[in-house]
Amino acid sequence: GAGVSQSPRYKVTKRGQDVALRCDPISGHVSLYWYRQALGQGPEFLTYFNYEAQQDKSGLPNDRFSAERPEGSISTLTIQRTEQRDSAMYRCASSLGLAGRTNTGELFFGEGSRLTVL
Amino acid sequence: AQKITQTQPGMFVQEKEAVTLDCTYDTSDQSYGLFWYKQPSSGEMIFLIYQGSYDEQNATEGRYSLNFQKARKSANLVISASQLGDSAMYFCAMRELYSGAGSYQLTFGKGTKLSVIP
Repeated sequence: GAGVSQSPRYKVTKRGQDVALRCDPISGHVSLYWYRQALGQGPEFLTYFNYEAQQDKSGLPNDRFSAERPEGSISTLTIQRTEQRDSAMYRCASSLGLAGRTNTGELFFGEGSRLTVL
Repeated sequence: AQKITQTQPGMFVQEKEAVTLDCTYDTSDQSYGLFWYKQPSSGEMIFLIYQGSYDEQNATEGRYSLNFQKARKSANLVISASQLGDSAMYFCAMRELYSGAGSYQLTFGKGTKLSVIP
């Protein structure tokens, strides 16, 4: 597609439910990032992939959070047993170059998935 | 660990005037990149400008320029001839480059909200 596409744009769920957030990066982009952004704050790093390999997951808050990118394109961020503190905007970004190797790797962000946990 | 500090939560500028948004960073890396992103009220993240740590000249992109002072570890964004459409949140960010052992996450500051007054 023309840009990074995320779905759903809005998700309201009850505490304790699992949610899956999807990201479809720009075609041909090899690096994919997940960020979380609280209202009025800067994006907070969660994890990133080069192709299908998860290179860094140090930003995932706890083991309820996981991400995968099995075919090196679409990625899913899964939050199990959601809690109210998980409410935030979850942003996906992709970059053309292999992070840290080829170029500066400007990140192109999607519009985000706003998660509300009741 | 990398850290970005943006000390101005909010800034006002008169239309057509220039404005400087402050950004200081802390890193032990020798090679790094500095980015500025704009986030309007619509929520999208728009890449503005990039500066590499080894670039000798300050980066410029149209009305945006980056005042890079490596010894002071500052990377201030200068917007010339402000327009009403410049009203937005502005985020400074950095990432490590070219290190085989490092992570290439983009670390963001908390942002500065710029309001352009007619």
